[in-house]
Amino acid sequence: KAGVTQTPRYLIKTRGQQVTLSCSPISGHRSVSWYQQTPGQGLQFLFEYFSETQRNKGNFPGRFSGRQFSNSRSEMNVSTLELGDSALYLCASSLAENEKLFFGSGTQLSVL
Amino acid sequence: EDQVTQSPEALRLQEGESSSLNCSYTVSGLRGLFWYRQDPGKGPEFLFTLYSAGEEKEKERLKATLTKKESFLHITAPKPEDSATYLCAVQAGYSSASKIIFGSGTRLSIRP
Repeated sequence: KAGVTQTPRYLIKTRGQQVTLSCSPISGHRSVSWYQQTPGQGLQFLFEYFSETQRNKGNFPGRFSGRQFSNSRSEMNVSTLELGDSALYLCASSLAENEKLFFGSGTQLSVL
Repeated sequence: EDQVTQSPEALRLQEGESSSLNCSYTVSGLRGLFWYRQDPGKGPEFLFTLYSAGEEKEKERLKATLTKKESFLHITAPKPEDSATYLCAVQAGYSSASKIIFGSGTRLSIRP
């Protein structure tokens, strides 16, 4: 069974640009959540989608958005990039709420 | 404010030297506590879920326990391959508004 797939693996952008990250969950998993990981802040919850609906949102500015498609694949978008957005962005899928998370390897975003 | 604190930040052990990692939490409505292992350059990998005080789970050299205020991850006779960052996460809140909050992790290093 294939795991959670995130693309791209690495990304370099400049301030002011926007970026879209992609996540394909494990087959059959309907819940997809996104996290930002930095050395200083650790893992911070961004948002969670279930059956194409955003069910929860963390404390991030509106520049961070996401969506989920009918096949459960998810994308997250960051507009007007700032230097502080440099981080590892992790996607995780689960069968349902309160279930263990399966993480992808992440997208390492560097903003110059 | 919901909070999850892990200690110590880093721990260096000799191979075979047993120890414990701590995860203390202050949350409203604990729904579950999770332990994950993260290797460099990879996403976290699920280890255990604990739901109620007094519960224990074991897997190879690892044993997780839960009380009303904290959880311990005991590692018995560790090997170098146990070196990783161990993350604790708490699912808190009621109904569909629950969120998963991660601790900052404990970096475990096992010397041969």
